[in-house]
Amino acid sequence: DTAVSQTPKYLVTQMGNDKSIKCEQNLGHDTMYWYKQDSKKFLKIMFSYNNKELIINETVPNRFSPKSPDKAHLNLHINSLELGDSAVYFCASSGTSGGLEQYFGPGTRLTVT
Amino acid sequence: SQQGEEDPQALSIQEGENATMNCSYKTSINNLQWYRQNSGRGLVHLILIRSNEREKHSGRLRVTLDTSKKSSSLLITASRAADTASYFCATGALGGGKLIFGQGTELSVKP
Repeated sequence: DTAVSQTPKYLVTQMGNDKSIKCEQNLGHDTMYWYKQDSKKFLKIMFSYNNKELIINETVPNRFSPKSPDKAHLNLHINSLELGDSAVYFCASSGTSGGLEQYFGPGTRLTVT
Repeated sequence: SQQGEEDPQALSIQEGENATMNCSYKTSINNLQWYRQNSGRGLVHLILIRSNEREKHSGRLRVTLDTSKKSSSLLITASRAADTASYFCATGALGGGKLIFGQGTELSVKP
């Protein structure tokens, strides 16, 4: 009965590879987000989708491509991974777009070697 | 760019003491929220205060908001070892949109 789930929890890969992280929420929320948390715990939004439509796209390299097949799922695909992509990636959801309370997944720790 | 600045960056107290964390922000907001992050876990929403509110309580938590000073504080009373975590403030903008997080305060409560 997990509210927001992500897979995988850990991801270790080499530079240049392509990888995906999956996120699912069972809260019936309309809006989903991807955040990146760096080694200093600074959390920055990357993308937001509302009912499968992209509504926030921060200054993120175009190697990162989110995809929302339906409003319960938001996946993140990363091409040509770089060392600087190493971080913890969090998925979150909220009931409405507008910065109200968000529910976070457990995070995916990505390590690029 | 980062919206919130939190102070202190780290705080160590004894169980039973109160913990106060402060957050300052730069632009007009619709609401301000506080989240807790236990080590290796996702963030958990604690409390939301709207821009037209000055104070809010939830259990042992008390949040204040001063929009004239663009600052907020989170007070945890009678702290417990289980309160050990990082605490983040996050601001929601007028007209909706994203949350912008502060850098966090690392709280350590010693039994």
